[in-house]
Amino acid sequence: DIQMTQSPSSLSASVGDRVTITCRASHYIRSYLNWFQQKPGKAPKVLIYAASSLQSGVPSRFSGGGSGTDFTLTISSLQPEDFATYYCQQSYSTPRTFGQGTKVEI
Amino acid sequence: QVQLQESGPGLVKPSGTLSLTCAVSGGFIRSSNWWSWVRQPPGKGLEWIGETFHSGSTHYNPSLESRGTISVDSSKNQFSLKLTSVTAADTAVYYCARVDGDKLYFDSWGQGTLVTVSS
Repeated sequence: DIQMTQSPSSLSASVGDRVTITCRASHYIRSYLNWFQQKPGKAPKVLIYAASSLQSGVPSRFSGGGSGTDFTLTISSLQPEDFATYYCQQSYSTPRTFGQGTKVEI
Repeated sequence: QVQLQESGPGLVKPSGTLSLTCAVSGGFIRSSNWWSWVRQPPGKGLEWIGETFHSGSTHYNPSLESRGTISVDSSKNQFSLKLTSVTAADTAVYYCARVDGDKLYFDSWGQGTLVTVSS
């Protein structure tokens, strides 16, 4: 299985801050990396697919980068509605695996 | 816009079988997409269970130790999950999701349903 490791596991930030979350795959996954946002009691919502493609309807303050084994999710200016848990997920091979999550708190 | 809705018992006895169905609306299950199940134990992260294509092809997470079966009913535009020999460790919110057939990402999700394993 491909292990996905996110860092940090949690972070505290303020509105307007630039936030970067990293995700490392245990094996090469090309650009088969997706990012999801999850709020309490809600289903995950895709933000970024294929490492850097912004899902339709997602604000442009979200961006993704990287390829191979190292990836990043950046929020350029944190908004109140962005406080949530973020997960990376690889779709290079089965089993599809998720990172452990990064909780973004005020 | 495709919508997915999970249904099934919210309580299952230990050693029993968990059965869930995901109804698909606004789209056809006989498309180029894969259809998947993901679960999330209370307070924990996301775990992929498996996926199916309308042809019947399936992939499963080996962590389930062959307890899971995912099937498609094209006539009802729905797909299902059965998980046998459940224990308390299978208590989770279960989500069904559509997998984009080209870029292979979960592009639509159901709202999720909590299944508790308890006597």
